Amino acid sequence: EILMTQSPATLSVSPGERATLSCRASQNIDSNLAWYQQRPGQPPRLLIYGASIRATGIPARFSGSGYGTEFTLSISSLQSEDFAVYYCQQYIYWRTFGQGTRLEIK
Amino acid sequence: QLHLQESGPGLVKPSETLSLTCTVSGGSITSGNFFWSWIRQTPGKGLEWMGGFYYGGTTYYNPSLKSRVAMSVDTSKNAFSLNLNSVTAADTAIYYCTRHLGAYTNPFEYWGQGSLVTVSS
Repeated sequence: EILMTQSPATLSVSPGERATLSCRASQNIDSNLAWYQQRPGQPPRLLIYGASIRATGIPARFSGSGYGTEFTLSISSLQSEDFAVYYCQQYIYWRTFGQGTRLEIK
Repeated sequence: QLHLQESGPGLVKPSETLSLTCTVSGGSITSGNFFWSWIRQTPGKGLEWMGGFYYGGTTYYNPSLKSRVAMSVDTSKNAFSLNLNSVTAADTAIYYCTRHLGAYTNPFEYWGQGSLVTVSS
C-alpha cells in the first residue's frame, strides 16, 4: 500500500496570505496525485488532479506542483471559504489518501 | 449536473450486513466509460477507498475489505449498491458514493453528500 503523508497537520495563516501544504508518497506515483478540499459537513471536493491540473470551476489561486514522491498545494491570497481540511490522494496503485491538513485562520 | 445520493439504514448491528444505495441523477450509470466507487470516512482511519466498478465491466475491491464487500448495479433505478458483511464498530463511518473523472485511473470527481452509518447493538 502506498502511504501518503501530509504536513503540517494544522496550518495557521491569515486571510489574504499564501498557504503551502505538502504531501509525500511512500513510493513513486509519477503525477497521479489529486488534492481535495473538505469543509465541515460536506464531502471532499476535487481541486487538483494530475498533480497540477485544476478541476472544473476551481479558482486560479489554487495551484499544485510536484512529481514522483513530493507534492505541494499552494493557495494564494486566502479567502474565508478556503479555511478547511485538505487531502492529497494517489491513484496509481489502488487509491489511498493522506491524513489531511487543517488550514485555520490565524 | 451529476448528482449522487446515498440512502440506507443509519444503524446496523454488529455481525450483520451494511447495505447502502447510491441513486444517480443527471446522468446514466450505463453511459460513458466512467468508474464508480464507494469511499468511507472515519475519524481514526480517515478516507478509505472501498472499491468500485465499470458498468458491465471490471470491479475492483480494496484488498483490506475484499472478503466482506460486494457492489451491484440496478439499471432500472440508475443506482448502485454497497454491501459490507460481518460489520463491527470499526465500520462506523460516513459512506460516500462517487464517480471518477473518467476511468478507474482517475481521481474522484463527483461525490454524494454521504451517509452516516453507526454499527452498534
